[in-house]
Amino acid sequence: LAKTTQPISMDSYEGQEVNITCSHNNIATNDYITWYQQFPSQGPRFIIQGYKTKVTNEVASLFIPADRKSSTLSLPRVSLSDTAVYYCLVGDPGFNAGNNRKLIWGLGTSLAVNP
Amino acid sequence: DSGVTQTPKHLITATGQRVTLRCSPRSGDLSVYWYQQSLDQGLQFLIQYYNGEERAKGNILERFSAQQFPDLHSELNLSSLELGDSALYFCASSPVRAGLETQYFGPGTRLLVL
Repeated sequence: LAKTTQPISMDSYEGQEVNITCSHNNIATNDYITWYQQFPSQGPRFIIQGYKTKVTNEVASLFIPADRKSSTLSLPRVSLSDTAVYYCLVGDPGFNAGNNRKLIWGLGTSLAVNP
Repeated sequence: DSGVTQTPKHLITATGQRVTLRCSPRSGDLSVYWYQQSLDQGLQFLIQYYNGEERAKGNILERFSAQQFPDLHSELNLSSLELGDSALYFCASSPVRAGLETQYFGPGTRLLVL
């Protein structure tokens, strides 16, 4: 079971690029890496998902090195509204994974964006 | 709005009681997940159902049980409630696509056990 480790908190300023790294040394071959954003008292919201190398969408980029033992979520030019908790999730999303699959969420990184 | 609905939004009850939380997934999503989130903890995965069948089990207590009905809505039953069960309970649903799985979370049910 892949366990993840993230920094507990980070501080940034508006307009800066923020990189949040997640360690997952025991990642399995079939595991994908997914990042979610959560605001207080709301359910998490999907940001991005990847398996290897680099993935980019309209809100973020995800960098995954060749050994896949870590991943970095990159948020370009953050704003105050990006203040939230960011979770790194590693798991096998395969349809045929069976009952052995687990969903292990890290404790999240609390990002504070300052004016 | 994720399209996932949960009822009730808030629930206050006493220790020893039993409650039922309800979740309606997004239209077309076959998978439903239940999570517990306490103040001092991250998201704890409880259980997943796919098209009515239990698919994966996390840290769900024996006092808790869940089911997914033919219309795909799901219920989480919490019994013999303890103070420590006070938490936010989230339901999420996901579509079935080969190789990828995005979970869409509901707004949560806040349970307070007194």
